[in-house]
Amino acid sequence: GDSVTQMEGPVTLSEEAFLTINCTYTATGYPSLFWYVQYPGEGLQLLLKATKADDKGSNKGFEATYRKETTSFHLEKGSVQVSDSAVYFCALMGNDYKLSFGAGTTVTVRA
Amino acid sequence: EAGVTQFPSHSVIEKGQTVTLRCDPISGHDNLYWYRRVMGKEIKFLLHFVKESKQDESGMPNNRFLAERTGGTYSTLKVQPAELEDSGVYFCASSQDLDGLLTGYTFGSGTRLTVV
Repeated sequence: GDSVTQMEGPVTLSEEAFLTINCTYTATGYPSLFWYVQYPGEGLQLLLKATKADDKGSNKGFEATYRKETTSFHLEKGSVQVSDSAVYFCALMGNDYKLSFGAGTTVTVRA
Repeated sequence: EAGVTQFPSHSVIEKGQTVTLRCDPISGHDNLYWYRRVMGKEIKFLLHFVKESKQDESGMPNNRFLAERTGGTYSTLKVQPAELEDSGVYFCASSQDLDGLLTGYTFGSGTRLTVV
């Protein structure tokens, strides 16, 4: 079945540091890929998405590129802020319209 | 527009008791989904409603879980009797289109269930 593997946390870094969260997937067909974020006390929010190979999703300074050859969708941000502290989930949607999530990566940014 | 609303936000119950979680989707969203995250692991799919009908309930763990969506509006998820392994965060989501790609899934804040 479909599955997502993302790097384990927690990740702690300083403001203005570069953030990368690795995500790889296993799926049949051509899934759509997503990054969701959960800020403290809030629900899951869609951060960005990509629906086909080589697409780049971007939002709030975050980027991720759909790499079919490496089955990856790594999340990056060049300069993080304290407000980026959250749990980040990589996810895919296959032909069954169900989201398959990774385990989540907790990111803490210190001033 | 109002988002997806879930309540309670937290629930602590004893093993063997019954708990009912509620989800109010965004008005007009025909598709409603339940997911849960157990013990900090992956968020896993439970089931999917289209209006009042269960489209896919393949993720429901066992018959102690009962989901309903009478009238195609809000949904309830009942756990009876609750077991320790049911502890986790239960998320509800809704979308207008079937695959959520056009409008995107909108998730609620979740209900944190603790069974002691």
